[in-house]
Amino acid sequence: NAGVTQTPKFQVLKTGQSMTLQCAQDMNHNSMYWYRQDPGMGLRLIYYSASEGTTDKGEVPNGYNVSRLNKREFSLRLESAAPSQTSVYFCASSEGAGQGETQYFGPGTRLLVL
Amino acid sequence: AQSVTQPDIHITVSEGASLELRCNYSYGATPYLFWYVQSPGQGLQLLLKYFSGDTLVQGIKGFEAEFKRSQSSFNLRKPSVHWSDAAEYFCAVAAPFSGGYNKLIFGAGTRLAVHP
Repeated sequence: NAGVTQTPKFQVLKTGQSMTLQCAQDMNHNSMYWYRQDPGMGLRLIYYSASEGTTDKGEVPNGYNVSRLNKREFSLRLESAAPSQTSVYFCASSEGAGQGETQYFGPGTRLLVL
Repeated sequence: AQSVTQPDIHITVSEGASLELRCNYSYGATPYLFWYVQSPGQGLQLLLKYFSGDTLVQGIKGFEAEFKRSQSSFNLRKPSVHWSDAAEYFCAVAAPFSGGYNKLIFGAGTRLAVHP
């Protein structure tokens, strides 16, 4: 039982390049999330998927797209990377999207955009 | 608007000393509150959460937190800190978002250093 896994662990991009961050969970959770973590700002929600087949914007969706490929997998795509997207990206999952649900986090992807 | 404030950016304590990390929230209704810990290079792990009932909540690794509605606070405590507790700690509140779903609003975090 690996929980939430993310690939890659580290990535360096040049401005304008594209990439996809992968996330998978093996807990049979319905809801999945993408956050970014910046120093002094905690975690901010980029996109979420309350259930398979649905995706919605979070607080900071600009410059990103997501795909809920199936119940297990939720990917985040940067079409044209910008230095402002240098951050640590975390994927999380929860059984549901209710107020009391515990979210389980992956180990993160550290992204540097030059 | 809902928000979470962690007033202390960095805290340093000696091993064996007691610890209290502060968290204040702004939320109109009964809050759902969480404390997460992030060890260096790792993801976030849930320490404990509060929904209702007893205002003193026990968590993993010997941590506890007390909900005080009158002070809008949810402070995290540990009676005796171990070197392995050095990490960053995040307080969060669950708040309604779009489509009837909820999101976590995180504080900026408190980085804990432990001296031997």
